[in-house]
Formats: sequence, C-alpha cells, structure tokens
Amino acid sequence: DTGVSQDPRHKITKRGQNVTFRCDPISEHNRLYWYRQTLGQGPEFLTYFQNEAQLEKSRLLSDRFSAERPKGSFSTLEIQRTEQGDSAMYLCASSLVPGADTQYFGPGTRLTVL
Amino acid sequence: DAKTTQPNSMESNEEEPVHLPCNHSTISGTDYIHWYRQLPSQGPEYVIHGLTSNVNNRMASLAIAEDRKSSTLILHRATLRDAAVYYCILAPNFNKFYFGSGTKLNVKP
Repeated sequence: DTGVSQDPRHKITKRGQNVTFRCDPISEHNRLYWYRQTLGQGPEFLTYFQNEAQLEKSRLLSDRFSAERPKGSFSTLEIQRTEQGDSAMYLCASSLVPGADTQYFGPGTRLTVL
Repeated sequence: DAKTTQPNSMESNEEEPVHLPCNHSTISGTDYIHWYRQLPSQGPEYVIHGLTSNVNNRMASLAIAEDRKSSTLILHRATLRDAAVYYCILAPNFNKFYFGSGTKLNVKP
C-alpha cells in the first residue's frame, strides 16, 4: 500500500494559464475526493467520484474547474484561465465504501498563481 | 452541513495526556465522528473515528458522549511529533467531509 500520491507537489503559473493536477488513489479504493485548502483554513470539499462517476460538485467548483476519473482509477483536476484566487493547496483523498468512509489524503499540490 | 466546534488552540507538556474536545450538537444518527490531524505542508492524516462507542487505536482514544453531542480525542502521552492542527469532522451520508478550522495543538518539551 503506497498511499495516495499527487503530482506535481508544487506548481507556479501565471494568471490566465491552464494547469492540471493528477491524483493516484490507494488501489481498490472506489471513492476519490478533491479538496482545496487556503492558508490558515481547513480543507474545503470540491468534488468526489465513486468509481468513474462524478457524484457531487461543490458550488466552489466554478466553470473553470473540471475533474475527471477515467476508468475509475487516477483522477485529474484541471483549472482553466487561472486567477490569483486559485492559489491554494489542492488535496486528494480516497476511501473504500461501503463502510465508515475513512478518507486517506495525499500530500497535496501547492498552486501559486502569479 | 454538520457543524463542529473546537477550541482554536491548546497547549500540552510533552509526555502528558491531552484531551481535545469537540462539540457537535446537531449530529444525526448516521454521522460518524472522524478525527484527523495535519502537520504543516502535509495532507490531513487519519487519527481515529467512531459512531457511538468509545474507540482505541495505537494513536489515540476517542471518547463519545452518551448523547453523541460531544466527543474528546485523547492522546495518552503527547510527543513533540503530535504538534499539529486537529480536526473533528462529522461525515453525514458517508461522503464529503466538512472541516472546521480545527484545534492547533502546541506541545512543549
């Protein structure tokens, strides 16, 4: 069990550019979550998948954000036309349901938009 | 959204027990109580969870009030590595977590 991995760990981009992050969940976990965390705050839910189906999206996930989980394995989160307000840590977590849905988090991708 | 209330910060001495409280008066019958902790620049780390009964694992103990409106995370012997932000989370419908601002635990040597 290698845990949840995220790539890249850090990304610096200029305003207006597109960025894509990848998350590899724990193998056999059928749920995958994306959260965003700004400095000094707790993580905020963005979206989650059960297998390949995206079941819920937060209103925080504007039209510039899109997430996919093809084949129910890894997931990508894309931000188009980045804004300075998108600067945050983007966290991925996975879990196995049914059950208590204990979520295991990756190390996060730190995005800085200049 | 199920809501929790935690103190902003707490302090403990190394090798002493720490009791971190959490109030969740609006908890529903199917909500699990999860505790996570987060070190700077790292993702949250699972600590423990429970539904109704007290729980123990190698990291900590979770004491749940009989009415389930509050819970306490117990670290039996705090170490410097336990200094982190601790989050108490209710998980309605077994999906998304709503994190509050957590309790920042400072451990003094």
